[in-house]
Amino acid sequence: SQQGEEDPQALSIQEGENATMNCSYKTSINNLQWYRQNSGRGLVHLILIRSNEREKHSGRLRVTLDTSKKSSSLLITASRAADTASYFCATDGGSNYQLIWGAGTKLIIKP
Amino acid sequence: GAGVSQSPSNKVTEKGKDVELRCDPISGHTALYWYRQSLGQGLEFLIYFQGNSAPDKSGLPSDRFSAERTGGSVSTLTIQRTQQEDSAVYLCASSLEGPTNEQFFGPGTRLTVL
Repeated sequence: SQQGEEDPQALSIQEGENATMNCSYKTSINNLQWYRQNSGRGLVHLILIRSNEREKHSGRLRVTLDTSKKSSSLLITASRAADTASYFCATDGGSNYQLIWGAGTKLIIKP
Repeated sequence: GAGVSQSPSNKVTEKGKDVELRCDPISGHTALYWYRQSLGQGLEFLIYFQGNSAPDKSGLPSDRFSAERTGGSVSTLTIQRTQQEDSAVYLCASSLEGPTNEQFFGPGTRLTVL
């Protein structure tokens, strides 16, 4: 079964708005990663947050992690058409070994 | 090259045939992963190679699937006697020293079994 579960499954917003995606997981983790996948660039790593971190920023991206709730959120501010993609969270399941992936959130930015 | 490369980009085969998918990781990356992604789904882990250690094959769905990594670099994923349910995009990724590091993905091989 999937470790990570993203919600919503799909999100459609206007360009310039903020987009928030959530990820829940089941077991303890060492870190959680967010990736983006679109047809042009394939799967690309966005950000990694470790279990002892609560928030991390990278450009227009903000990731939070709540290990007590086993959840993470990805916020994209001032969205652009190029942000249209599927977004996946992946956790290491505490094993420091393989990454376990959610099914992703499909984000559509409308011009 | 600078990134992970995979070949072929597309493969159409008939049920029952064997296929080989190739992955060329980033030079210097000791960890290599194979994943499978069905349409609209997340990634399903298949196999993990780390340096000279024995690979973790726990994700391989059946004994028709096997993979090798020669010389710690190029990897080949082989699917024998392909079935229609094997149709998916097969993604390869590499990273430095294990899965807690950022994984760099290849463009994938889209396999279609008729």
